[in-house]
Amino acid sequence: GAGVSQSPSNKVTEKGKDVELRCDPISGHTALYWYRQSLGQGLEFLIYFQGNSAPDKSGLPSDRFSAERTGGSVSTLTIQRTQQEDSAVYLCASSFLGSSTDTQYFGPGTRLTVL
Amino acid sequence: RKEVEQDPGPFNVPEGATVAFNCTYSNSASQSFFWYRQDCRKEPKLLMSVYSSGNEDGRFTAQLNRASQYISLLIRDSKLSDSATYLCVVNGRSNTGKLIFGQGTTLQVKP
Repeated sequence: GAGVSQSPSNKVTEKGKDVELRCDPISGHTALYWYRQSLGQGLEFLIYFQGNSAPDKSGLPSDRFSAERTGGSVSTLTIQRTQQEDSAVYLCASSFLGSSTDTQYFGPGTRLTVL
Repeated sequence: RKEVEQDPGPFNVPEGATVAFNCTYSNSASQSFFWYRQDCRKEPKLLMSVYSSGNEDGRFTAQLNRASQYISLLIRDSKLSDSATYLCVVNGRSNTGKLIFGQGTTLQVKP
C-alpha cells in the first residue's frame, strides 16, 4: 500500500516568508509525527498527534512553528517568518497506534532552504 | 548533555568484518528502544527493536543494558549494502510514541 507522502519535496524560500509543508500519513494510522533533520545532525522531534488527544508540541523550537492535523489524517506544518536556521529536512512519520512500541514509518521529507 | 549519544564515526570496515555500535541514553523512564537505518538522503527505516533480553535478526544483534542505560548493535559478516547511518532511538516519555534520536553512526563497508 501507499506509504507516507510529503509535499513539496523541495522548497526554497526567502527569509521572512511563511511556508506550509504537507504530510499524508498511511491510511488508518492514528498517530502522526513531525521531525526535522539539520545537515549532519540527528532527527529532532517537533510535534506529535495521537487520535483526538491534544498534540504534544514540546519540540516546537519557537512560536513561529505550528501544525494542524485535519480530520485525523493530513497534517500541515507551518513556519512563519522563516529564518536561515530553519533550513533543514522536515520529516513526517505515522504509526498505527502511537504507542511507545509502534514502528514509525517515515515519509521522504521536505528539504527546506531559506535564503 | 544530549538525551541519546552515539559515536558519529565514520566506521570504515572491510567486507566480512564484525562491527559494533554503542549508544547511551539519559532518560531512565524510557521504555522502548530501537535502531533505525538511514541511507544517504533517504528517510530513516526501522532496523530492529531492542529488547531487555537481547534480540537477533540474521546478522544483526541488539542488546540493552537498562542499569547502565546503554544500547548496542552488532553487525556480523558486514556487506557493502550495510553502508548507511545507524540511528539509536529511544522513546522520550513513557508509553508515548515521541522518539528521541541519536545523531547516528556512519558505517562504510569497503570491498
